[in-house]
Amino acid sequence: KQEVTQIPAALSVPEGENLVLNCSFTDSAIYNLQWFRQDPGKGLTSLLLIQSSQREQTSGRLNASLDKSSGRSTLYIAASQPGDSATYLCAVNDDYKLSFGAGTTVTVRA
Amino acid sequence: GAVVSQHPSWVICKSGTSVKIECRSLDFQATTMFWYRQFPKQSLMLMATSNEGSKATYEQGVEKDKFLINHASLTLSTLTVTSAHPEDSSFYICSARRQGIGYEQYFGPGTRLTVT
Repeated sequence: KQEVTQIPAALSVPEGENLVLNCSFTDSAIYNLQWFRQDPGKGLTSLLLIQSSQREQTSGRLNASLDKSSGRSTLYIAASQPGDSATYLCAVNDDYKLSFGAGTTVTVRA
Repeated sequence: GAVVSQHPSWVICKSGTSVKIECRSLDFQATTMFWYRQFPKQSLMLMATSNEGSKATYEQGVEKDKFLINHASLTLSTLTVTSAHPEDSSFYICSARRQGIGYEQYFGPGTRLTVT
């Protein structure tokens, strides 16, 4: 059974600092890995999807890397802003199902 | 494209009653839809996988008689919480996978269920 772990559970940084969020998974036989953002009481917003054959994906200030062999992914958010405050979820797609990590709650202080 | 809607966005019901939540793919056909539950400050847990025209596959520990799932068309899946109790209060989120295209899931905005 796939286990997905996200570290740290919470992170508080001053505005402008770069964010580094980590995700690890136990079974490397995955189709893809996805990063989501969730605001309190809201649904999920897809940020980046990395196919198993890819090493990284970029969108604006966001960059996600994937090392499938070691079971790790990292989400980098450059020059953080207060609007980046949210919970970030990592999800691994294997066996046609998504397994989610518990998330990292980010607070960016103005 | 790839928009998924849920209705209602929130619902309050009394203990013992049943409530139905709809999940629709608005601009694509979805052979497979998924239902997740999220308790406060916890992550999403997959409840069941719903395939159009066939019975849903439930995850271990999910009561199939309590959480009835119907996927009658390529754009609609419904989750009915039967005889709801306060412990069923949660955030329910559905997702849909496009017919024949990859493994990416597109998520609905979620339904907040409160059972009093």
